[in-house]
Amino acid sequence: GESVGLHLPTLSVQEGDNSIINCAYSNSASDYFIWYKQESGKGPQFIIDIRSNMDKRQGQRVTVLLNKTVKHLSLQIAATQPGDSAVYFCAENSNDYKLSFGAGTTVTVRA
Amino acid sequence: KAGVTQTPRYLIKTRGQQVTLSCSPISGHRSVSWYQQTPGQGLQFLFEYFSETQRNKGNFPGRFSGRQFSNSRSEMNVSTLELGDSALYLCASRRQTGSYNEQFFGPGTRLTVL
Repeated sequence: GESVGLHLPTLSVQEGDNSIINCAYSNSASDYFIWYKQESGKGPQFIIDIRSNMDKRQGQRVTVLLNKTVKHLSLQIAATQPGDSAVYFCAENSNDYKLSFGAGTTVTVRA
Repeated sequence: KAGVTQTPRYLIKTRGQQVTLSCSPISGHRSVSWYQQTPGQGLQFLFEYFSETQRNKGNFPGRFSGRQFSNSRSEMNVSTLELGDSALYLCASRRQTGSYNEQFFGPGTRLTVL
């Protein structure tokens, strides 16, 4: 079965608010995690990654948190904008040449 | 530089037919991975090719196959199509195995099986 999953399939957020998207994984051997954004009609686009030797990593308006104790990671988007409306996927890699993806969370930004 | 291109973008087939999808990676990228995306199962890994060799394979039946050419272009083939094969097929390329932060996806081929 899937080794990576997301807590909620949908998230509605007010423009300007912060968004938090959660993901749980079950493979203790996973040592690398990625968040992807997929807009309608496009392939997934890399947002940010984190290795298991870190617990936090920041990018432009995005932060990924990793809690290895409970096998949980989250993506925080600051000051959510209409262009952030998309499906967000977490994915994990455990050094076997493939990524395992979660089911995805659809984020809708309300004006 | 040009991104990952996939052809065709849309395809309609009937059960029992076979189909070939094509992926042209970004110039200089030697690794090509294929994924199937469906509403129910999400993105599932099919296989990865690197320098014309299959490096890894997902849990799909033997009806799903692929290959990579010397110019790194890749094709995947699905034989004896079933209704459940209807999906968005995505390919992704990167320069080498690993370096997922430099992996780029194409727009996908939407396959509909009737």
